[in-house]
Amino acid sequence: DTGVSQNPRHKITKRGQNVTFRCDPISEHNRLYWYRQTLGQGPEFLTYFQNEAQLEKSRLLSDRFSAERPKGSFSTLEIQRTEQGDSAMYLCASSFSEGLAPFFGPGTRLTVL
Amino acid sequence: GENVEQHPSTLSVQEGDSAVIKCTYSDSASNYFPWYKQELGKGPQLIIDIRSNVGEKKDQRIAVTLNKTAKHFSLHITETQPEDSAVYFCPPTGTASKLTFGTGTRLQVTL
Repeated sequence: DTGVSQNPRHKITKRGQNVTFRCDPISEHNRLYWYRQTLGQGPEFLTYFQNEAQLEKSRLLSDRFSAERPKGSFSTLEIQRTEQGDSAMYLCASSFSEGLAPFFGPGTRLTVL
Repeated sequence: GENVEQHPSTLSVQEGDSAVIKCTYSDSASNYFPWYKQELGKGPQLIIDIRSNVGEKKDQRIAVTLNKTAKHFSLHITETQPEDSAVYFCPPTGTASKLTFGTGTRLQVTL
């Protein structure tokens, strides 16, 4: 399978715990994006990387959220001190370059109890 | 920023009929118009896209038309099948660096 992969697919955690998600983009895609989607809504942009550089962050990305792409390949999204409002589907996407629509992964569904 | 509106919000058609979803946008700088299909529990899937220098694009049963003057573009699905049932999104963009999704259109194809 050469698509975008995300792990884990599901995560249940208690409020206050830290969680980390991983995204493996399509090989050779230099752009990587994180989106968040809540029930009944469209995906909302969180942040994106060009290779290892994080170029833009949404206001939705509070100080509790941090994303990295250390070697310009896979990326991680960490949420510290999770809150119930963080419950959502976290989507990763990648594209070869600017100007091309990204391909999305299957998402990681986070439930904060 | 971009403001996207889709109509209708829900659409029910019988198998074999056509479906049309219209997307209206606000940013005149938008020049790239993708359509995504999202099935339950899955990530959005790019199904067709069009650039501002093209008025229409077709791929088998799906087509997209663009009216830049009126700032709207539409998705046309012919000979609908049950597997077309999904939520469809139209996030127009100027650079594809950040897509602005609306609330989508839920299409239900009934037998």
